[in-house]
Amino acid sequence: QKEVEQDPGPLSVPEGAIVSLNCTYSNSAFQYFMWYRQYSRKGPELLMYTYSSGNKEDGRFTAQVDKSSKYISLFIRDSQPSDSATYLCAMSPVRGGSYIPTFGRGTSLIVHP
Amino acid sequence: IAGITQAPTSQILAAGRRMTLRCTQDMRHNAMYWYRQDLGLGLRLIHYSNTAGTTGKGEVPDGYSVSRANTDDFPLTLASAVPSQTSVYFCASSDSGAAGPLPSGYGYTFGSGTRLTVV
Repeated sequence: QKEVEQDPGPLSVPEGAIVSLNCTYSNSAFQYFMWYRQYSRKGPELLMYTYSSGNKEDGRFTAQVDKSSKYISLFIRDSQPSDSATYLCAMSPVRGGSYIPTFGRGTSLIVHP
Repeated sequence: IAGITQAPTSQILAAGRRMTLRCTQDMRHNAMYWYRQDLGLGLRLIHYSNTAGTTGKGEVPDGYSVSRANTDDFPLTLASAVPSQTSVYFCASSDSGAAGPLPSGYGYTFGSGTRLTVV
């Protein structure tokens, strides 16, 4: 079992829908949680990051962490065709050892007009 | 524009040939990384460098070597390319390579990638 599991999709939704993207993990040492967005033929770009549990909101995006369930989510409200991309979750421990994050395999999202 | 520059953008390479993928950053980040991305396998770390003069092995280091002579450059070399090294290669950097509280700019900056085909 990989440390971070992410459904590859594709997830296809109509414009305006609320999108939920999720990752599960097994390493309880993870404290920092990140979401990256990757457009086709581009490198990933950091979308949001959160520390420990709780929610973080940025415009139409909300990142949620449930450490008790080892489950993180990214919600996209009022989804737009421009949100069509692959979304990768990533996680890393706080202290001790390297900060190199462990990435999920990515979920492909398609928002159709 | 601050960021990471990778070269070449794409390359077709004969098996057995030597190839160096170039990566340069202008953000003065201390840490740099090389990943390969394959369909269904996601991003896999090849090598990393927490600071100039040091390097470390990632998840899939075999067949690859790196050097970090200065802060800005982190080339990746394939000594003798094989078809299984066909992939998209991403260089990344961050200023969070050392242990301790993460700075406000936490996260990786990625380059646009090099598409390598080994035939």
